[in-house]
Amino acid sequence: DIQMTQSPSSLSASVGDRVTITCRASQSISSYLNWYQQKPGKAPKLLIYSASTLQSGVPSRFNGSGSGTDFTLTISSLQPEDFATYYCQQRQLTFGGGTKVES
Amino acid sequence: QVQLQESGSGLVKPSQTLSLTCTVSGGSISSDNYYWSWIRQHPGEGLEWIGYIYYSGSTYYNPSLKSRITMSVDTSKNQFSLKLSSVTAADTAVYYCAKLRFLEWAFDYWGQGTLVTVSS
Repeated sequence: DIQMTQSPSSLSASVGDRVTITCRASQSISSYLNWYQQKPGKAPKLLIYSASTLQSGVPSRFNGSGSGTDFTLTISSLQPEDFATYYCQQRQLTFGGGTKVES
Repeated sequence: QVQLQESGSGLVKPSQTLSLTCTVSGGSISSDNYYWSWIRQHPGEGLEWIGYIYYSGSTYYNPSLKSRITMSVDTSKNQFSLKLSSVTAADTAVYYCAKLRFLEWAFDYWGQGTLVTVSS
């Protein structure tokens, strides 16, 4: 089974900050890496699929990159509505442990 | 826009069977490019994929839960269902249904989730 390791597990940031979250796969997954945002009490929301393609309606401040085993989600300028937990997910449908972005 | 809504019992006794249904609206469950999935989230924890079903009835389950899972689909009602047998307190979680886009293996639409508590 492919394991997904996210880091950090939590981070503290301010509005306007550039935020970077990483996800590492235990073996190559090509570009089959998706990112989700989850707010408390809500279902996850797909942000980025295939490592770098923005889901329709997602603001352009979200950017995904990487291939193989190492992937990054970047929020270029953190907005108040971006405080949430972020998860990566790979093709075999396992998720990373999550990164909580808090103020 | 596709919408998904979970329904079912919110309280299940230990050793009994958890049963949930997901109703899909705004689109047909009989679409070629999608699987229909269940995912759960234990309180305060991460996400665990449970299984998925195609409109034809083909299924694929998480190996760690496979022995206890049965999924089914009713295309006439645009619904799919989950049964999880022999539940314990460890099965207490929020259960989500979701649409899985299998070209990218991405869950692009989710239900709001339903909390299922296993307790006597």
